[in-house]
Amino acid sequence: GAGVSQSPSNKVTEKGKDVELRCDPISGHTALYWYRQSLGQGLEFLIYFQGNSAPDKSGLPSDRFSAERTGGSVSTLTIQRTQQEDSAVYLCASSLGGVVTTNEKLFFGSGTQLSVL
Amino acid sequence: KQEVTQIPAALSVPEGENLVLNCSFTDSAIYNLQWFRQDPGKGLTSLLLIQSSQREQTSGRLNASLDKSSGRSTLYIAASQPGDSATYLCAVSRTTDSWGKFQFGAGTQVVVTP
Repeated sequence: GAGVSQSPSNKVTEKGKDVELRCDPISGHTALYWYRQSLGQGLEFLIYFQGNSAPDKSGLPSDRFSAERTGGSVSTLTIQRTQQEDSAVYLCASSLGGVVTTNEKLFFGSGTQLSVL
Repeated sequence: KQEVTQIPAALSVPEGENLVLNCSFTDSAIYNLQWFRQDPGKGLTSLLLIQSSQREQTSGRLNASLDKSSGRSTLYIAASQPGDSATYLCAVSRTTDSWGKFQFGAGTQVVVTP
């Protein structure tokens, strides 16, 4: 597609339920990133996928959070047993993921606003 | 741990004035520094990327400088317009982390009044 697509744009759930957030990166981009943005916390790194390499999961806040990337394209962020502190905007980004990744700009989606009641 | 600070937190200027936004970071071992713009309810748009070996980068009315040794970057926006109203964020990734692990500042909220 023309840009990074995230769905749903808004998700309201009850505490304790599981949620899945989807990210469709720009076609041809092999690097994919998940960040979350919450009031008072700014943007936090969650996880980074680069091609077939093992992802950097060092930003996932607890074992309730997990992410997959199937076929090197679409990614799903899953939050199990949601808590109120999980309420935030979850942002996905992608970049080309070429040989020299350190010069690449990130392209962000519009995010998923997650509200846990 | 990399700390990224942006000053000021908010800025209001009349149309036509130049904008100066500051970003400081504590660990100078970075791959690069990126400046982003965020409009309300939307994702981030990358404005400029300065590689660690570069001193500045320019795009149209935007100019960003990088002084890695002092841990500072400045974003200049010339002849501001109401359409420049947004939140501006800077982000760095450390060479001791994976490339995709960016540390973001809290942002500077800019309002340009007509």
